[in-house]
Amino acid sequence: NAGVTQTPKFQVLKTGQSMTLQCAQDMNHEYMSWYRQDPGMGLRLIHYSVGAGITDQGEVPNGYNVSRSTTEDFPLRLLSAAPSQTSVYFCASSYSFPGQPSGNTIYFGEGSWLTVV
Amino acid sequence: AQSVAQPEDQVNVAEGNPLTVKCTYSVSGNPYLFWYVQYPNRGLQFLLKYITGDNLVKGSYGFEAEFNKSQTSFHLKKPSALVSDSALYFCAVRPDRGSTLGRLYFGRGTQLTVWP
Repeated sequence: NAGVTQTPKFQVLKTGQSMTLQCAQDMNHEYMSWYRQDPGMGLRLIHYSVGAGITDQGEVPNGYNVSRSTTEDFPLRLLSAAPSQTSVYFCASSYSFPGQPSGNTIYFGEGSWLTVV
Repeated sequence: AQSVAQPEDQVNVAEGNPLTVKCTYSVSGNPYLFWYVQYPNRGLQFLLKYITGDNLVKGSYGFEAEFNKSQTSFHLKKPSALVSDSALYFCAVRPDRGSTLGRLYFGRGTQLTVWP
C-alpha cells in the first residue's frame, strides 16, 4: 500500500501566490486532516474531514481552504500565501466513523516543505 | 481546553542506558493516547497507543509507555537506548467524546539524543 501520499515535497512561493497541496490515501479511511509543524509548537490542526463532502476547521484554519469530493483525496489550498505560512505541512488519515470512539491510529504522509518569500 | 505537555524540549542519554520521555495531558473523558517519532525530514511514524486495558503498552522498536490515569501521564520508556533512537518524539491525545471527538492534539515534541 502507498499509505498517505503528499505532493509536492518542496515548494517555494512568492507572497500572494496561491497553490494546492495534494493528499491522497489508499486505505479507504474516512477521517483525513491537515497539520502544520512549526519549531517549538508541535503540530497544529488546520482542517479536517470525517468523510466525503464533510469538512471542518481545526485550530489554525485562516488562510487555508479544503474540500473533500472523494474519500481518497483531501487537497489543501493556500489562497494568498504569506510568509507566516512558511511551514512543514502534514496530511494524515485514519479509519473512523463519526460519533464513534476514535482510538484508531492516525497515519501521516511524508510532509510538504513550503517556503513563502 | 484540550492540551498536551512535554515538559522537556531535549533529553540526552548514553547508549545502553534507560530512557524516559515525559508526557502529561489535560483532556476531558477517557482519551486515547499516542506516541509518534519523527526522523529528520520525514513524516511521523506511529510508535504505540493506549486505548484501554493494561496500563503498560508495548510498541515498535522496543519502546513502551505507561499510562497513569491519576497523574494524567503517558511517559515513553525504553530499557536500553540506541544511537538510532535519536529523533523527535511527539505525544498526542485523541478525545473520545465531545465536540473535539476524533481530533489529535500534539505536544511540542521532545528531541531525544542518544550518545555513543
